[in-house]
Amino acid sequence: AQKITQTQPGMFVQEKEAVTLDCTYDTSDPSYGLFWYKQPSSGEMIFLIYQGSYDQQNATEGRYSLNFQKARKSANLVISASQLGDSAMYFCAMRARYNNNDMRFGAGTRLTVKP
Amino acid sequence: EAGVTQFPSHSVIEKGQTVTLRCDPISGHDNLYWYRRVMGKEIKFLLHFVKESKQDESGMPNNRFLAERTGGTYSTLKVQPAELEDSGVYFCASSQGIAGDLYGYTFGSGTRLTVV
Repeated sequence: AQKITQTQPGMFVQEKEAVTLDCTYDTSDPSYGLFWYKQPSSGEMIFLIYQGSYDQQNATEGRYSLNFQKARKSANLVISASQLGDSAMYFCAMRARYNNNDMRFGAGTRLTVKP
Repeated sequence: EAGVTQFPSHSVIEKGQTVTLRCDPISGHDNLYWYRRVMGKEIKFLLHFVKESKQDESGMPNNRFLAERTGGTYSTLKVQPAELEDSGVYFCASSQGIAGDLYGYTFGSGTRLTVV
């Protein structure tokens, strides 16, 4: 079975500082993909970043980077130079190659950026 | 290219009424998924279409929920009769990937359903 755990229901960060949102996962599949999505107050789900289980390097997309530690089964999202517009819910998710119908999501972390 | 479109964006209905949500996936995407997030809880998978066929409907909560995808294009999700616990945000997503493709989906903006 697949499981995604986000242990931080809420996080605060000062504008322009970096913040790390935690995500751990559990799967028996050897091949999987890890995703982070942002959900602002407007409600849409915005894709941020993807990491494949066999990727050798940590994924980066602009101010977003994914700290992938395969042995520890963690896929933390790092947001550098936080902006007020980063305030939103953030969801970690996983798809496994042999269970690709079902993208499993964590419970989410609400990030608030303080001016 | 147009994204995934969901309609309506908001719906408020009374308990016992019927509501139909619609999702238009990205053109050419064979895979269409429905998810929902009940207030304060996790985003849960509901079902997956490959073209017009239901590939997996293991997440459908009960028989008050009926999803269709006639012709393999847009999909509808009908809730009949609606109950209070059905309130939440219903997301649709689509992808072009074949089996084993690990890339993510494109999500719609969601339909916020409130049952009163």
